[in-house]
Amino acid sequence: NAGVTQTPKFQVLKTGQSMTLQCAQDMNHNSMYWYRQDPGMGLRLIYYSASEGTTDKGEVPNGYNVSRLNKREFSLRLESAAPSQTSVYFCASISVGYSGNTIYFGEGSWLTVV
Amino acid sequence: AQTVTQSQPEMSVQEAETVTLSCTYDTSESDYYLFWYKQPPSRQMILVIRQEAYKQQNATENRFSVNFQKAAKSFSLKISDSQLGDAAMYFCAYKDRGGADGLTFGKGTHLIIQP
Repeated sequence: NAGVTQTPKFQVLKTGQSMTLQCAQDMNHNSMYWYRQDPGMGLRLIYYSASEGTTDKGEVPNGYNVSRLNKREFSLRLESAAPSQTSVYFCASISVGYSGNTIYFGEGSWLTVV
Repeated sequence: AQTVTQSQPEMSVQEAETVTLSCTYDTSESDYYLFWYKQPPSRQMILVIRQEAYKQQNATENRFSVNFQKAAKSFSLKISDSQLGDAAMYFCAYKDRGGADGLTFGKGTHLIIQP
């Protein structure tokens, strides 16, 4: 199984450009997440999707939009990139329930905005 | 909202020695999970150990063990017989058992292993 797959792995953007980070999971998980990681800040939640067709804001949603295209895919869009969005982005998925809460992370997407 | 605090930005230990990383958290929930993740320079997130709040017994995975103090809301990680490969960032994380709003992370502890 591939687990959680993120693309692209590396991207350099100019200020004001737009782009979409793609995430797909093949584990039939209901919930999916986008985090960003900045130096000294740990991972912070941008948006999450508890189930297909629903999305909710996390701790740092400003400047981002998301789409839960289907149960497998959860994309993160930067409409007008800013240098403050330079970060490493992680997608994750989880099967929520009393049977277990194992979280699976993608390998990260390194985004630089110049 | 839950918060997770790691008060040690950096720790250093001699190879083969034991080191303990601290984590405290704040929650009003009684049923939750706590995690320690290891992040090497590749940035891959590797689950080290998981503790379920309703289990009194501390979790253990080989050289890694935790000291879970529910009343004190403390969750420390002990690494025994430290190895060079243990050098990494370590993150403590919290999750409600039934919630769908993901993990809450601490800011991390950078662990250095001295040869």
